[in-house]
Amino acid sequence: GQNIDQPTEMTATEGAIVQINCTYQTSGFNGLFWYQQHAGEAPTFLSYNVLDGLEEKGRFSSFLSRSKGYSYLLLKELQMKDSASYLCAVRDLVVAGTALIFGKGTTLSVSS
Amino acid sequence: DAGITQSPRHKVTETGTPVTLRCHQTENHRYMYWYRQDPGHGLRLIHYSYGVKDTDKGEVSDGYSVSRSKTEDFLLTLESATSSQTSVYFCAIRGDNEQFFGPGTRLTVL
Repeated sequence: GQNIDQPTEMTATEGAIVQINCTYQTSGFNGLFWYQQHAGEAPTFLSYNVLDGLEEKGRFSSFLSRSKGYSYLLLKELQMKDSASYLCAVRDLVVAGTALIFGKGTTLSVSS
Repeated sequence: DAGITQSPRHKVTETGTPVTLRCHQTENHRYMYWYRQDPGHGLRLIHYSYGVKDTDKGEVSDGYSVSRSKTEDFLLTLESATSSQTSVYFCAIRGDNEQFFGPGTRLTVL
């Protein structure tokens, strides 16, 4: 199957660190992606992992463990503008070719 | 900005009418995708294209058809719209690895 699970909602405080977890099951794994989506807008690309380990990009980092079917997105020094939905997606060449299969998203609320 | 536009951006239509949504890209990408996004379901793949006249079905393709006669345009058609097709529709193109999304079309079927 292609189940992709992530928490529905999370809350955090400005300046804090938050970790959003994602677990998945795929037949033909070919990459894991994280997107940010503000309300009423299109998703925007944050990160891509295809090998195990941590990818760091400014305040955002993404981690992948293929053997565990697990990823997380780490957001540091949270800002109010980070309030958004965060979408975990996988590319499964067997099931969907080059298309992405998305989780239902995690809505992050950052408060002051 | 990945050079993707969608039209129309908003549309209200009645059950049973045909509707065509257009996705236009300016960067000559081979792969294009149509997704719909609904509360509680996330983004789901409708159809995708891997070249001119080359298309394939996604997870939720029933009631939808697509056409790609030119590299830059990918059309999504609802032959006879139903209320269950009320949704936000996103087109996407594939870059090196990631996908870039268009601004979306909000479709309401009454």
